[in-house]
Amino acid sequence: SQQGEEDPQALSIQEGENATMNCSYKTSINNLQWYRQNSGRGLVHLILIRSNEREKHSGRLRVTLDTSKKSSSLLITASRAADTASYFCAPHPRGFQKLVFGTGTRLLVSP
Amino acid sequence: DGGITQSPKYLFRKEGQNVTLSCEQNLNHDAMYWYRQDPGQGLRLIYYSQIVNDFQKGDIAEGYSVSREKKESFPLTVTSAQKNPTAFYLCASSTILRDRIDEQYFGPGTRLTVT
Repeated sequence: SQQGEEDPQALSIQEGENATMNCSYKTSINNLQWYRQNSGRGLVHLILIRSNEREKHSGRLRVTLDTSKKSSSLLITASRAADTASYFCAPHPRGFQKLVFGTGTRLLVSP
Repeated sequence: DGGITQSPKYLFRKEGQNVTLSCEQNLNHDAMYWYRQDPGQGLRLIYYSQIVNDFQKGDIAEGYSVSREKKESFPLTVTSAQKNPTAFYLCASSTILRDRIDEQYFGPGTRLTVT
């Protein structure tokens, strides 16, 4: 399977703490994308990191990519209750015209 | 407003009936996708289309059909052959350049319940 797999499946933290989610995948990729989903809603794109990039920042988000280990991580700094959501990684396997979504990490940020 | 819309938000059908879910985008994206999401699960690709009048099966196409007669529209029909159709259905679109898929924009989803 080319599917991305997130770890942990669930994460519970306090406001102000950092949240780190990891993603592993199995094949070579063109890029890897992270998405957020609030309960019962569509997904929202957070960040895209290309296979030749190692780190990318967007506001309080920091994404790293290690193609030798076929892994990526998403760090949310200074988390807020509004960050409560599910987070999905979606590798874009090379040679395939689709993203492959993992099962997600459910993040709960308590006030 | 630019975006991607799905209708209806909730849909109820009796077993044995076909049902069509609507997806429209005004982002001028070439590629459109349909996903299925079951509770606590990730997204599974049903069908995708990169150009008008052409589409490809995804990972779970059995029991579903699509059409792409216009760039803006990519309706999904859930047929009576789909054994377990109750799920949350998400439509997405994106630009595509050669073999690179950029960020996907998602609609709000349609929750289908079949009894």
